[in-house]
Amino acid sequence: DAGVIQSPRHEVTEMGQEVTLRCKPISGHDYLFWYRQTMMRGLELLIYFNNNVPIDDSGMPEDRFSAKMPNASFSTLKIQPSEPRDSAVYFCASSWDRSYEQYFGPGTRLTVT
Amino acid sequence: GENVEQHPSTLSVQEGDSAVIKCTYSDSASNYFPWYKQELGKRPQLIIDIRSNVGEKKDQRIAVTLNKTAKHFSLHITETQPEDSAVYFCAALFSGGYNKLIFGAGTRLAVHP
Repeated sequence: DAGVIQSPRHEVTEMGQEVTLRCKPISGHDYLFWYRQTMMRGLELLIYFNNNVPIDDSGMPEDRFSAKMPNASFSTLKIQPSEPRDSAVYFCASSWDRSYEQYFGPGTRLTVT
Repeated sequence: GENVEQHPSTLSVQEGDSAVIKCTYSDSASNYFPWYKQELGKRPQLIIDIRSNVGEKKDQRIAVTLNKTAKHFSLHITETQPEDSAVYFCAALFSGGYNKLIFGAGTRLAVHP
């Protein structure tokens, strides 16, 4: 298995633009997690899905952030409009219902200017 | 709410020395405690985990101990090497169902030759 796949790996955009981050979990995994990592706030859980259904989005910072999981092999995290304070590394992770181990993707480094 | 505290935030050791990182958690019903290593610019990767039915687990130079009564667990690295330099995160499984992990703030370990 190729592991968790994220795209793009780097994204530079201007304030006010829409940004879409993509994730493909490991095949067979039931859970998908979106994290944001910054020096100031560490690793924050934004939202997670179980069997494509959002379970807890309490970590989503505000209405500018939205996430979807239309099927078991694809999820998106969208920021609209983006702001400079959204600059961070966004990780996607997945896990299997019968194991708690989370496998992280390589991350997307987002820079909003 | 659920919380994991991690200490120290930075740790500097000489090659060959031991390193210890400690975490405390608030959810007494947590039963799974993983440790992740994140090298600079890379994704967090699971290095060892422990479940509540054991008090200690070892894997070569790393070991984890768990004290459920005191609600704390520790990572021990012996005979440290420069390649152990990284940020280490502890985590605890949220007991409210699903596979949600609560992460500590991380410890930056520097091993000097």
